[in-house]
Amino acid sequence: EAGVVQSPRYKIIEKKQPVAFWCNPISGHNTLYWYRQNLGQGPELLIRYENEEAVDDSQLPKDRFSAERLKGVDSTLKIQPAELGDSAVYLCASSFGGRGYTFGSGTRLTVV
Amino acid sequence: GENVEQHPSTLSVQEGDSAVIKCTYSDSASNYFPWYKQELGKRPQLIIDIRSNVGEKKDQRIAVTLNKTAKHFSLHITETQPEDSAVYFCAASRNDYKLSFGAGTTVTVRA
Repeated sequence: EAGVVQSPRYKIIEKKQPVAFWCNPISGHNTLYWYRQNLGQGPELLIRYENEEAVDDSQLPKDRFSAERLKGVDSTLKIQPAELGDSAVYLCASSFGGRGYTFGSGTRLTVV
Repeated sequence: GENVEQHPSTLSVQEGDSAVIKCTYSDSASNYFPWYKQELGKRPQLIIDIRSNVGEKKDQRIAVTLNKTAKHFSLHITETQPEDSAVYFCAASRNDYKLSFGAGTTVTVRA
């Protein structure tokens, strides 16, 4: 089993540019999560999907962040425009009904 | 929302000694408490978890204890080895879905 697959692993962009991250969850996992992990801190939930529906996006900065999970499988998280403070590791995770919670390796974003 | 505090932020132990990390949580409705190990540049990996209907759980050299009344839980690693060096995160959840993480503890095992 491939696990949760994320791409790219690293991304460096200039501020005000757009950026997108992609996540493919474990096959059969209906719940998908996007977390942000700032340096030296624990991950913080940005958004949770149940199949294709976003059921918890209270922590997502909606003025510049957007996400989608078309067809209820893989997902894309977008930032437009990026700010210096968005530099972090963006982690995707998936589970089946809350069980088997598994994280991907993350995308390390650096905004310069 | 849930607030999880974790102590200490760094921990250095001699190989073979024990390591203890403590966490407190604020939401009395939280009922699931996992612990994750994250090596540098890698994904967080679940090492042990406990639910609120259990006071203690053990898996080889790792154990977790939970005190619901005091709202705190702890991770115990015995007979530490160099490969135990990593950042450890505690988390709490009321419904298995949204995990609220502590700030992490960097554990260094000295050979």
